[in-house]
Amino acid sequence: DAGITQSPRHKVTETGTPVTLRCHQTENHRYMYWYRQDPGHGLRLIHYSYGVKDTDKGEVSDGYSVSRSKTEDFLLTLESATSSQTSVYFCAVRGGYNEQFFGPGTRLTVL
Amino acid sequence: AQSVTQLGSHVSVSEGALVLLRCNYSSSVPPYLFWYVQYPNQGLQLLLKYTSAATLVKGINGFEAEFKKSETSFHLTKPSAHMSDAAEYFCAVSEDQGAQKLVFGQGTRLTINP
Repeated sequence: DAGITQSPRHKVTETGTPVTLRCHQTENHRYMYWYRQDPGHGLRLIHYSYGVKDTDKGEVSDGYSVSRSKTEDFLLTLESATSSQTSVYFCAVRGGYNEQFFGPGTRLTVL
Repeated sequence: AQSVTQLGSHVSVSEGALVLLRCNYSSSVPPYLFWYVQYPNQGLQLLLKYTSAATLVKGINGFEAEFKKSETSFHLTKPSAHMSDAAEYFCAVSEDQGAQKLVFGQGTRLTINP
């Protein structure tokens, strides 16, 4: 499982509240990624990181920010959650042959 | 820009029958191609990957895929379906440069009939 954990695993929140999701890895991978999964869309990249304090936007970055202050942790923040951000969020790390290994996911519901 | 198209959002086969899940990609540079499987309420697990070493790639659980450049395809097959193969399958492409971001297809849900 590439030593990836995500927290929380489930969260219900209300529109307008801030939310932070955490991804933690134990194998010192340089690259980390945040995706969201929605029916009919597969997985779409939100943001990624290529090192401590080095991040960049993905395909669906609006409304999201990220931070990486340590190699092992990659945080995804929804500054003001909206119902359109109800989704399952996956963190991933990149392996040696460009494959990515995924965490167990966080199911977020915004009411 | 890269893209992936998976033909058929739902595929149903009988136990013991051939499984064929279709994936076509678009990429302006030589691609890396991947198949992932997702069981209910779980994350994605890598089934197999194409990284230009061989066009026929064997993966876990008896699956294999063939890279066909002329057809821009990377279809997933398994000779004999098992009930435990019921899951959702995702094809993905990345470029061999930069951040190697993955672009996913929409997914194909595979159902196995007894």
